[in-house]
Formats: sequence, C-alpha cells, structure tokens
Amino acid sequence: EVQLVESGGGLVQPGGSLTLSCAASGFTFRSHWMHWVRQAPGKGLVWVSRIRSDGGYTSYADFAKGRFTISRDNARNTLYLHMNSLGAEDSAVYYCVRDRSAITGTAGDNWGQGALVTVSS
Amino acid sequence: QSALTQPASVSGSPGQSITISCIGSTSDVGGYNYVSWYQQRPGKVPKLLIFEDSNRPSGISDRFSGSKSGNTASLTISGLQAEDEADYYCSSYTSSRIVVFGGGTKLTVL
Repeated sequence: EVQLVESGGGLVQPGGSLTLSCAASGFTFRSHWMHWVRQAPGKGLVWVSRIRSDGGYTSYADFAKGRFTISRDNARNTLYLHMNSLGAEDSAVYYCVRDRSAITGTAGDNWGQGALVTVSS
Repeated sequence: QSALTQPASVSGSPGQSITISCIGSTSDVGGYNYVSWYQQRPGKVPKLLIFEDSNRPSGISDRFSGSKSGNTASLTISGLQAEDEADYYCSSYTSSRIVVFGGGTKLTVL
C-alpha cells in the first residue's frame, strides 16, 4: 500500500522558514516524480512544485520561485520542501503527492494526508 | 500563471449526467494531452479520476469520463449518485513546464 506521511508543519512567524518532509513507502520511490500541492482552508488546490524521479529537474509555481526549494533523498525515500520568507498567504495544508509516472510528471495518483502550515505572529 | 477556469458550481439529480468544463489556452489545456481531473470529498484528500485528458486509473468507475476540444477540457459524470457530491478540480501541464489547477467546481446532487 502506498503511504505518504508529511511532517514538519506548524506555526511559524512571518518572514520565517520551515521544512516539510514526506516519508514515502509501499512503492519504488525513485521511480516517480513527486509534487507538493497546497490548499488554504476553504479554498482550492494550488500546485507548488515538482521534482523528477532522479532529483535532476525541478519546477515551481511563480509564488514559490526563489523562496521554496523542493528536494528528495531516494536512499531515504523522503521528499522535502524547504520554505523561506513565509507570509500569511502561505498558510495552508501542504500535500505530498506521488505522480503516476516516472516520465511525465503531470498527474498525482496518491496524496498524503497533508501538513498544516500556519504563518502568524 | 493563470488558473484554469471552471464553473463554481454545478448540480444534477440522481441518475442524470453532468459535465464540468475546464477552460485554458494553447499554452496548457490545448497544447498538451496532460489534463487531469480530481475529486475531493468533504474532509478528504483529492483522488485522481482522469489523467492524460481521458484515461482512467484502475479502480475508477467508468461513470467518469474525460474529453477535450481545443482549449476546453471536460469531465462528464454519468448516472449521478449521491456519493458523487464533492469538489472537482482540473489540472494541466503548461508550456512553462509547470502544472496549474482550475479553481474547482462544487457538485451538488439534488
């Protein structure tokens, strides 16, 4: 069974930093693109970033460029999202998402339960 | 990076069919065969219904179908059931090599 377990969420002050982790199990982690998607309370899904299966390519939504860094450790089956210069608008549940493919990186077929990030003083 | 355009809400009666549209541009929906659709029931995580415009993952009911014409993708749900009441989101790969979601559509089963 595919399992994606996020950790690292919590309360952070405006301007602060936070790193989310996602422990993956039940599948061959190194064979899949991975994504981060966020959802503010009562709002829609917003794609944040993705990383290729070998970690050699990443892409970001405009709001994440220069502030967020996605990375992965295929030896530890873990996905990361490091976030800097956080503002209130970054408050959301952050989902770790497995892509269904090692090639295309366009469709998430398994989602974690999410990690809540709250940016507030 | 504009979000794809979806209707805010749609409704239908049990047994009926409904269609949710997802309007993009030649830079996303119309330029690639990489539209996906997700269902998110209240309090639950999203579930992939359709990938690559019209393909269903294993285990997804054939009541759900995806199609595309030009810059508009569509999700059709046939034989509407009470359990289909949920939020539905489209997404697409774009020419900027990123993914973008639509704003979401709330489906009400009357």
